[in-house]
Amino acid sequence: SQTIHQWPATLVQPVGSPLSLECTVEGTSNPNLYWYRQAAGRGLQLLFYSVGIGQISSEVPQNLSASRPQDRQFILSSKKLLLSDSGFYLCAWGKRGEAFFGQGTRLTVV
Amino acid sequence: QKEVEQNSGPLSVPEGAIASLNCTYSDRGSQSFFWYRQYSGKSPELIMFIYSNGDKEDGRFTAQLNKASQYVSLLIRDSQPSDSATYLCAVCPNFGNEKLTFGTGTRLTIIP
Repeated sequence: SQTIHQWPATLVQPVGSPLSLECTVEGTSNPNLYWYRQAAGRGLQLLFYSVGIGQISSEVPQNLSASRPQDRQFILSSKKLLLSDSGFYLCAWGKRGEAFFGQGTRLTVV
Repeated sequence: QKEVEQNSGPLSVPEGAIASLNCTYSDRGSQSFFWYRQYSGKSPELIMFIYSNGDKEDGRFTAQLNKASQYVSLLIRDSQPSDSATYLCAVCPNFGNEKLTFGTGTRLTIIP
């Protein structure tokens, strides 16, 4: 069966510090991978998606970037965090139209 | 801008009754429709998907789709306290990817 791992679970970072969130998927090959963000009181917003190694599409302009160095690894990064980057970050993998989420990282920028 | 609208609730339903959750979407070309359940502080969990007009049943859950009215609903029969959660409606414009547009969710509380 497929599993998705995302870490860390919680993170508190000062404004201006860098960010790296990692996500890995097991039990499937060549999955579509996604980063979503859920801000307080708002719906999930798609940030990035990837259909293969090195292939990244950005859905919204922002302070973040994503990379996919391996087939089942997806990384979300920032060089300098803003207060507005706070939120619940969710990695997801998908196949045949269905998306499955990792446990999420709750990021608080202070 | 593509939108998915849900009543934020809270929706309170007595235990054992039917809970009815509704969702409307603006993109008439949307192809696939999903319901996720999200417990407080947790990640969303896929509970139902539907592609065709009509009803789709899975255990106590029934998803209903009306593309002409751009309306999706989720019925939960014999509601249990463990069903208390936020239910997210999500819409995808086409098959082959999972680029979902989510509503803000409806908070459901089952009253024992």
